[in-house]
Amino acid sequence: NAGVTQTPKFRVLKTGQSMTLLCAQDMNHEYMYWYRQDPGMGLRLIHYSVGEGTTAKGEVPDGYNVSRLKKQNFLLGLESAAPSQTSVYFCASSRGTGGGQPQHFGDGTRLSIL
Amino acid sequence: EDKVVQSPLSLVVHEGDTVTLNCSYEVTNFRSLLWYKQEKKAPTFLFMLTSSGIEKKSGRLSSILDKKELFSILNITATQTGDSAIYLCAEFSGSRLTFGEGTQLTVNP
Repeated sequence: NAGVTQTPKFRVLKTGQSMTLLCAQDMNHEYMYWYRQDPGMGLRLIHYSVGEGTTAKGEVPDGYNVSRLKKQNFLLGLESAAPSQTSVYFCASSRGTGGGQPQHFGDGTRLSIL
Repeated sequence: EDKVVQSPLSLVVHEGDTVTLNCSYEVTNFRSLLWYKQEKKAPTFLFMLTSSGIEKKSGRLSSILDKKELFSILNITATQTGDSAIYLCAEFSGSRLTFGEGTQLTVNP
């Protein structure tokens, strides 16, 4: 009964380093999302995907790239990490849209950029 | 640009109190409004309200949607310490959610 699984849970990077966050869902959901959550700013959408092989920009896409090569996985990449990218990152998935389907969230990745 | 505003941003109450959390929205293509509860980790889904379902209730929690005035409220009656969390409101239009800042609710014994 895993749902949405994010790895890693914590990571500390130096400015300029690169890394990839992995999100995996076992609910056969079409839609997947990456958010960042910062104090006082709620959840902001970085990128999302409406199906395997597709990606789209969200509200704050700069500095991030994503890939959805397999339906169950959605990867978020930071090519050259910056201190402004210190945040908690959440992945979510949903069955579809229509009138809106509830999104199911992972437990988050806490990322610190020094 | 879609916008969701929640109030208050934080609230401290005693067990047994009733609380009302507010969410107003400005959207161009409204489809639905969702409420989530976030404790230490992942936000968990509470309610979804659409034009065909403007009132929802589950135990001590209830929510209504006013599509004319563009707001929603979440009520929690007989609060318990386990209700302490951040409550997030989100509006859905098109293919994505727009979240408000959240209301941090603290319920003291």
